[in-house]
Amino acid sequence: GENVEQHPSTLSVQEGDSAVIKCTYSDSASNYFPWYKQELGKRPQLIIDIRSNVGEKKDQRIAVTLNKTAKHFSLHITETQPEDSAVYFCAASPNSGGSNYKLTFGKGTLLTVNP
Amino acid sequence: DVKVTQSSRYLVKRTGEKVFLECVQDMDHENMFWYRQDPGLGLRLIYFSYDVKMKEKGDIPEGYSVSREKKERFSLILESASTNQTSMYLCASRTGGWNTQYFGPGTRLTVL
Repeated sequence: GENVEQHPSTLSVQEGDSAVIKCTYSDSASNYFPWYKQELGKRPQLIIDIRSNVGEKKDQRIAVTLNKTAKHFSLHITETQPEDSAVYFCAASPNSGGSNYKLTFGKGTLLTVNP
Repeated sequence: DVKVTQSSRYLVKRTGEKVFLECVQDMDHENMFWYRQDPGLGLRLIYFSYDVKMKEKGDIPEGYSVSREKKERFSLILESASTNQTSMYLCASRTGGWNTQYFGPGTRLTVL
């Protein structure tokens, strides 16, 4: 089955700096890659996702890149703010229907943005 | 607005008790999931269901079972709770395709 590795496990940056979180996956059938943000005491929520037919996607200060050949994808946050502090999870999923719609998650990255 | 709700936010049970965790979603999603979240281990899939009465084991099914009698409801059952099942349990639901997976608020289960 799919295996998703996520690095780093913790990341501390100064407010205004950029943050990058990287993930690799093992199953070449995976073609949907979402990122979730989980604030302390809250449920994970989708912040951005990318499909395999796209190499990059941006949404304001957040961007995700995908390299299907190398089987890795990354989350980029620019101009970080204290409210970006949270645990971020990457995930991967095939898209072939039936029992295959399960997401495999990385272990998470605790991002701390210092004022 | 999609809503995934779980029956309890906090639960304290004794070793050996049978425990039921309930999850309900209101968006007619085919797929429902149960995860457990532990520090440093991320979100680990226990069981999932892609249709009523259909279920598949996830990565850590031992000690758990599930029930899905209606499309909107997915139950996680701990047949005989043990202390190593103390954890945060998250339910989620999703349609197929490229669509977002939504999580419930979580149930913090403590087994004494």
